[in-house]
Amino acid sequence: DAGVIQSPRHEVTEMGQEVTLRCKPISGHDYLFWYRQTMMRGLELLIYFNNNVPIDDSGMPEDRFSAKMPNASFSTLKIQPSEPRDSAVYFCASSLTAGTQYFGPGTRLTVL
Amino acid sequence: ELKVEQNPLFLSMQEGKNYTIYCNYSTTSDRLYWYRQDPGKSLESLFVLLSNGAVKQEGRLMASLDTKARLSTLHITAAVHDLSATYFCAGRSYNTDKLIFGTGTRLQVFP
Repeated sequence: DAGVIQSPRHEVTEMGQEVTLRCKPISGHDYLFWYRQTMMRGLELLIYFNNNVPIDDSGMPEDRFSAKMPNASFSTLKIQPSEPRDSAVYFCASSLTAGTQYFGPGTRLTVL
Repeated sequence: ELKVEQNPLFLSMQEGKNYTIYCNYSTTSDRLYWYRQDPGKSLESLFVLLSNGAVKQEGRLMASLDTKARLSTLHITAAVHDLSATYFCAGRSYNTDKLIFGTGTRLQVFP
C-alpha cells in the first residue's frame, strides 16, 4: 500500500513568490497533519484536519500560510508571499482515528 | 499545554554499549510515541505506548512508559552503527488529537 505522498520533493523559489505544497494521505485515513521542521525550531505542527475539516490551525505562523483539504485524498499548504525564513522541510502525515501518524517524505523548501 | 522534553540531545556511543534516552512530559498524556529519523529522511514510527507499565521491544530497542512519573525511556542494547539516527518521542494530550514532539536525541554510534 502506498504511504503518504508529497510533492514536490524539493522546491527552490524566490522571495515573494507563491509556493504550493501537496499531500496525498494514506487511503482511508481520516486525519491529516502538516508539520514544519527546522534546525532552530525542531518539528512544529502547523495545522491538522479531521474528515477534511480544519481542526486546529494555531501553529500556522502567519496569514501568509493557508491550507486546504478539498477531499479525503488531497491537501495543499500554500505560502503567499514566501520569505527566506520559510525555508524548511515540510512534512505531511496522516493517521486513522488519531492513532499513529505516518509521515510523508517531506518537501524541502528553499526561499532565496 | 503538554510539553515534552528529551535528554540527552546528543548521544555518541560506542558499538556494543548500552544506553537510555529519556522522555519527560508535563501533563497527563494518554499515549506516547517513539519515532526515528535518518538524516535527510522522514520520520518512521517505532513504538506506541498506551498504558502505565507498557513495554515494547524490537531488536535492540526497548521502550517503556511510566505514567505516574510521566516518563518514557528508549533503551538501546549493544548498539550498532545502523542505529545512528535522531529519535523523537511524542505525547498526545487527552483533550486534543495532536502530538507534541520532543526536541529529538541525535544518536551516533561509532566503532
